[in-house]
Amino acid sequence: GESVGLHLPTLSVQEGDNSIINCAYSNSASDYFIWYKQESGKGPQFIIDIRSNMDKRQGQRVTVLLNKTVKHLSLQIAATQPGDSAVYFCAENMDSNYQLIWGAGTKLIIKP
Amino acid sequence: DAGVTQSPTHLIKTRGQQVTLRCSPKSGHDTVSWYQQALGQGPQFIFQYYEEEERQRGNFPDRFSGHQFPNYSSELNVNALLLGDSALYLCASSGQTNEKLFFGSGTQLSVL
Repeated sequence: GESVGLHLPTLSVQEGDNSIINCAYSNSASDYFIWYKQESGKGPQFIIDIRSNMDKRQGQRVTVLLNKTVKHLSLQIAATQPGDSAVYFCAENMDSNYQLIWGAGTKLIIKP
Repeated sequence: DAGVTQSPTHLIKTRGQQVTLRCSPKSGHDTVSWYQQALGQGPQFIFQYYEEEERQRGNFPDRFSGHQFPNYSSELNVNALLLGDSALYLCASSGQTNEKLFFGSGTQLSVL
């Protein structure tokens, strides 16, 4: 769950295509996971969450998939739009713990 | 319905000085968490306040302290500022669980 340095992984996607952002989480005891979107100069914005008793959850244009076997989380964004350009973070939490542990972040770039 | 509000938005201090950052949680939320976000990294948990007490603390030195008021607003104080304290300081609020944290836009602190 430790974040890496200044060089964020980057994903470039054509406008209108689907985007898939991946995250490996660190703690097998984590039971709650969240995706956040952070635009430049702003705080993180909640996108979607999922508890460990589920493996898929859908929102508006977004889907989160959870694979507990390999400790992997993904965020799928359908029909990517220019407004989706941002850094996306996954975060994990355990019920017994009040802090979120954040992943490294992925910068999503939309190509016109 | 106002979301999480933080003040000031930007602050410049010199080494050794002290700083106080302020946060008002989202309406209906009684729990406030503070995070530090260095450039290009995910947020790092500083501490969480609930019922005017520090409920959990991350791996930050005692120079970082906080307070929560009866109206649920909160302050983050940092003493003896170091250059490495330069970062975006984020406040997040939630209900009693840690689900769906809502973040403010942050205070950008620069220590010269």
